[in-house]
Amino acid sequence: DGGITQSPKYLFRKEGQNVTLSCEQNLNHDAMYWYRQDPGQGLRLIYYSQIVNDFQKGDIAEGYSVSREKKESFPLTVTSAQKNPTAFYLCASRRRGLNTEAFFGQGTRLTVV
Amino acid sequence: AQTVTQSQPEMSVQEAETVTLSCTYDTSESDYYLFWYKQPPSRQMILVIRQEAYKQQNATENRFSVNFQKAAKSFSLKISDSQLGDAAMYFCACDDPYETSGSRLTFGEGTQLTVNP
Repeated sequence: DGGITQSPKYLFRKEGQNVTLSCEQNLNHDAMYWYRQDPGQGLRLIYYSQIVNDFQKGDIAEGYSVSREKKESFPLTVTSAQKNPTAFYLCASRRRGLNTEAFFGQGTRLTVV
Repeated sequence: AQTVTQSQPEMSVQEAETVTLSCTYDTSESDYYLFWYKQPPSRQMILVIRQEAYKQQNATENRFSVNFQKAAKSFSLKISDSQLGDAAMYFCACDDPYETSGSRLTFGEGTQLTVNP
């Protein structure tokens, strides 16, 4: 079945450590997105990519990094520079073009301990 | 860049009744796209309905319809004959596909809908 997969579902990190969240899709979508979800703040865009080897900062990119070496994969690294990383992270993908539906993974809950 | 605002953090409705969720947005473009997504307790995001800004006719999908007011930059979602399964967080989103850096999908803060039996 085609879809978008995030792993792991739950992730615990010690302060000062970097951690990488995985996002893989087999929908042949060009565009991929990372969002952070906090209570009362909705979904805030971290990074997005329209094409392999290219990506743009979203509204809250500080303390995060991404890569897009393959069309199917868009991993997100939460670095130690991110001051408040505990949150729910959602990855999405969609076809390029107009008015296309975004498909979402099931999310990763990151907790700093 | 566009912004999206949902001014109702929480709403409730009686089963079988109708409820309207509000959304306002701001974009500098004349052509863009608007969406409503639903996030049930499973946290899986699901597309509910979408609207193209150049189309004057309001979109409808079964019990879900929108009231799109382009001049006012308003995009409300109406749910008719509410069902218990409609209980979820609802997000309004705006897409400006003509930005130089590519299409970015911007979401609002969300409205938590409770359906009372």
